[in-house]
Amino acid sequence: GIQVEQSPPDLILQEGANSTLRCNFSDSVNNLQWFHQNPWGQLINLFYIPSGTKQNGRLSATTVATERYSLLYISSSQTTDSGVYFCAVPPAGNMLTFGGGTRLMVKP
Amino acid sequence: EPEVTQTPSHQVTQMGQEVILRCVPISNHLYFYWYRQILGQKVEFLVSFYNNEISEKSEIFDDQFSVERPDGSNFTLKIRSTKLEDSAMYFCASSGQGPGANVLTFGAGSRLTVL
Repeated sequence: GIQVEQSPPDLILQEGANSTLRCNFSDSVNNLQWFHQNPWGQLINLFYIPSGTKQNGRLSATTVATERYSLLYISSSQTTDSGVYFCAVPPAGNMLTFGGGTRLMVKP
Repeated sequence: EPEVTQTPSHQVTQMGQEVILRCVPISNHLYFYWYRQILGQKVEFLVSFYNNEISEKSEIFDDQFSVERPDGSNFTLKIRSTKLEDSAMYFCASSGQGPGANVLTFGAGSRLTVL
């Protein structure tokens, strides 16, 4: 099946710093989603980004489908950005395969 | 913004008991899903449901699991006889049709603790 690898696995930032999270996938996909899992366990949709670049406030994402990777940028990080960031792709149909996540801690 | 609603948010049960987790998908969505996340691990696909039948299921979704859409709004996951290893966060998701079929919206999750 498709492999989804995320890096780094863990990241600690000082509030106000910027960061880039990476998602590599092993096969061609027609969909990619980024999620934020907050400390209460809720999965929050961030981006649906099969290709190109999207921005939403301090967050932006870029997917280069031909090279099988996606990047999530967090600028001017805040403590509320803490949690786990997952990317997910569909190997078949609408079923999503999740990466292992990047655990982010933003310190005040 | 439309939401996927899950109940209960947390359930504690004894091993061997039956559990039903409930979900109200987004109203005009046609595809429904259950995913599971054991504490500290990846989110894993369990099952997808379309047109009143299971369209895909993973190896995790064995005979002790079942799904149902009992009416026009609810989508349920039943675990027949819970085991300790069923302790996890269970997420319901839904997606629309056409291009929207590719975009899954997740609920807040139901945390199941089996003692």
